[in-house]
Amino acid sequence: GAVVSQHPSRVICKSGTSVKIECRSLDFQATTMFWYRQFPKQSLMLMATSNEGSKATYEQGVEKDKFLINHASLTLSTLTVTSAHPEDSSFYICSARDPATTTKNIQYFGAGTRLSVL
Amino acid sequence: AQTVTQSQPEMSVQEAETVTLSCTYDTSENNYYLFWYKQPPSRQMILVIRQEAYKQQNATENRFSVNFQKAAKSFSLKISDSQLGDTAMYFCAFFSRVSARQLTFGSGTQLTVLP
Repeated sequence: GAVVSQHPSRVICKSGTSVKIECRSLDFQATTMFWYRQFPKQSLMLMATSNEGSKATYEQGVEKDKFLINHASLTLSTLTVTSAHPEDSSFYICSARDPATTTKNIQYFGAGTRLSVL
Repeated sequence: AQTVTQSQPEMSVQEAETVTLSCTYDTSENNYYLFWYKQPPSRQMILVIRQEAYKQQNATENRFSVNFQKAAKSFSLKISDSQLGDTAMYFCAFFSRVSARQLTFGSGTQLTVLP
């Protein structure tokens, strides 16, 4: 299947700093990518939908200024956690939908980023 | 809005035996996809199996098969000949072809395969 690469896998930062997470579709072009947050032993919570060339669509309750999303190309979306605080510590996962006909509507996921804010 | 319910937070099965994970969903739509994803301890989400709602035949992928009951809005996953590597959190997910926005996930079932 299609491959989605997410980097970094783990990041530790000090409170007040900003952290950027990258999500790349390696063998397909993705006009839409998704960013999720997952707490331990819980399901994935959709944070925002990243649209190439336009503004991201945020889910209710997600702070746009806290979680900046940029989707500047068909293969790259970035999530920047600005002025991170300990409560932002979590596991962040990106995914992208492969538009190819035979695998349409399948979402492929990155390996996730574990963010720890000290 | 669609909802997906997984009523079994945890399950266990002996290696080589068969286990069934339950999933029910609620929707007024007729055109959608259903998925099972697994998330092993590495936390990488992996697609296990996909079912298109307009297809009556149940999907199968090697040791994994589904029992899709559209009228009952039920979508269970059967794992045959369970292996230790099947230990993971399993998520049922719904995708509407009408809204074509994003997946709706269930709360997950933690499956442990015992040696």
